[in-house]
Amino acid sequence: GIQVEQSPPDLILQEGANSTLRCNFSDSVNNLQWFHQNPWGQLINLFYIPSGTKQNGRLSATTVATERYSLLYISSSQTTDSGVYFCAVVARGSNSGYALNFGKGTSLLVTP
Amino acid sequence: KAGVTQTPRYLIKTRGQQVTLSCSPISGHRSVSWYQQTPGQGLQFLFEYFSETQRNKGNFPGRFSGRQFSNSRSEMNVSTLELGDSALYLCASSSQRQETQYFGPGTRLLVL
Repeated sequence: GIQVEQSPPDLILQEGANSTLRCNFSDSVNNLQWFHQNPWGQLINLFYIPSGTKQNGRLSATTVATERYSLLYISSSQTTDSGVYFCAVVARGSNSGYALNFGKGTSLLVTP
Repeated sequence: KAGVTQTPRYLIKTRGQQVTLSCSPISGHRSVSWYQQTPGQGLQFLFEYFSETQRNKGNFPGRFSGRQFSNSRSEMNVSTLELGDSALYLCASSSQRQETQYFGPGTRLLVL
């Protein structure tokens, strides 16, 4: 099946700093989503971005489908950004419909 | 619009028992997917239902089963519980194939 690798696995930032999280995938995809999991376990959808660039406030994401990677940018980080960020994909041509394949996540801690 | 709801939120069971978890999708969403999250294996796809039919199934033993009702609500059942079934079980709903999935808050299951 499709492999999803996220880097870095852990990240510690001071409030106000910027960061870039990366997601590499091993095959073509027709669904790619970024999620933030808060300390209570809730997965919050950030972006649906199988290709192109999107921005939402301090967050933006870019997926270069031809090169099989996606980037999540967090600017002016805040302590509330802490948590685990997941990238999840569905392989193109897959008959597995909505079966998202998740990476292992990037654990982000933003300190005051 | 109300989000995805899951009940119960927390559950403690003993080995050998069975458990049923419930998920109510966002109004109008017909696809419901289930995922298991453990520290060791991460987030793994269990199965997906659409219009009361199981469309996809992950690589889990037959002890894990599910169903979907005509109002799109879904239940998953785990029979003969094992210690390794302790996990956060997440339900997600979506309106169409290959689009954004919205996750519920999860059910934390502890098997003693």
